[in-house]
Amino acid sequence: DIQMTQSPSSVSASVGDRVTITCRASQGISISLAWYQQKPGKAPNLLIYTASTLQTGVPSRFSGSGSGTDFTLTINSLQPEDFATYYCQQANSLPFTFGGGTKVEIK
Amino acid sequence: QVQLQQSGPGLVKPSQTLSLTCAISGDSVSSNGAAWNWIRQSPSRGLEWLGRTYYRSNWYYDYAVSVKSRITINPDASKNQFSLQLNSVTPEDTAVYFCARDPEYALSIFDSWGQGTLVTVSS
Repeated sequence: DIQMTQSPSSVSASVGDRVTITCRASQGISISLAWYQQKPGKAPNLLIYTASTLQTGVPSRFSGSGSGTDFTLTINSLQPEDFATYYCQQANSLPFTFGGGTKVEIK
Repeated sequence: QVQLQQSGPGLVKPSQTLSLTCAISGDSVSSNGAAWNWIRQSPSRGLEWLGRTYYRSNWYYDYAVSVKSRITINPDASKNQFSLQLNSVTPEDTAVYFCARDPEYALSIFDSWGQGTLVTVSS
């Protein structure tokens, strides 16, 4: 199985800050990488797929980059509704696997 | 807009079978593009993909090795839904279970999710 490692596991930030989350795959996955946002008690919500394609309806302050084994999710100008946990997921091969999550907390 | 509505019991006894159903609106379980997945989430295991079914002139199934001997995913085209059965459950199967749509088989992403069902395995 492909292991997905996210860092940091948590980050404290203020409204208006830029936040960067990284995700590393245990083997190359090309650009087959998705990012999700999850709020407490809710299902994950797709933000980005194929590493950098913004899902319809997702604000443009979210962006993704990377290929191969190293990927980044950037949130520009953090908004109050962005405080949540973020997960990466590799879509390259079965079984699909997720990172351990990064919790974005209010500083 | 695709909506997935989950149903099923929240408490299952050890060694028994966990059964959940996911009703689909806004798409078809028999769609030639989509795949229909079950994913669970627990503090100890995080988000774990369990399996999927999809239709491409025939029905196909993929399962995670970790549950392959115990899992069945069944599509029901007449009711436009799909189900999860997990046999011989133990407390380690306690988790929130989600159904999710992959809109395009080649993408292998999850763009619509059910509301989640907390299933507790306990006597």
